[in-house]
Amino acid sequence: DAGVTQSPTHLIKTRGQQVTLRCSPKSGHDTVSWYQQALGQGPQFIFQYYEEEERQRGNFPDRFSGHQFPNYSSELNVNALLLGDSALYLCASSTMTGNSNQPQHFGDGTRLSIL
Amino acid sequence: DAKTTQPNSMESNEEEPVHLPCNHSTISGTDYIHWYRQLPSQGPEYVIHGLTSNVNNRMASLAIAEDRKSSTLILHRATLRDAAVYYCILRALYNFNKFYFGSGTKLNVKP
Repeated sequence: DAGVTQSPTHLIKTRGQQVTLRCSPKSGHDTVSWYQQALGQGPQFIFQYYEEEERQRGNFPDRFSGHQFPNYSSELNVNALLLGDSALYLCASSTMTGNSNQPQHFGDGTRLSIL
Repeated sequence: DAKTTQPNSMESNEEEPVHLPCNHSTISGTDYIHWYRQLPSQGPEYVIHGLTSNVNNRMASLAIAEDRKSSTLILHRATLRDAAVYYCILRALYNFNKFYFGSGTKLNVKP
């Protein structure tokens, strides 16, 4: 049973460019959340997708956008890249229930470097 | 989001128990306490969670204070593979999976 998979594993971009990161959730999961993790810090919540809609959003600018597909996979798009966007981007999946007992399953992330 | 406070780092000897503390004085009655850990070059991994009672699983034990303002993750016999950053997270009921991660505790295990 495959867990959460993310692609690519590493990516190098320059300032001003745009990037798309991809995530396939764990089998049976329908909810995808994205996090940004700067070096030496804990992950910061970006947003969450369920039923192809953004359901919650953290304190991130509109340059960060996403999409969820009918097969529950998801993309994170970042426009007008800044040096400060260099980070590990993590995807987490879970099932949408009202029960907070459900653990999230994380992928190993995409390391994005901005030059 | 309710906040948690953890020591920045701790050190343990291999095969000895480790107690990782977490303070969450602003916890609400419906917040679950979750622990995740992040090994080097990997995404966070679920460890354990609880609401009011102490909990045990194959990975660890979770001891929750009676007033729920603090909790302790217990690794009964630390191994080198337990060296990781451990995050204590408060998860509100019906919060649709939005996690607030603090800075966590970096655990170093000495052979």
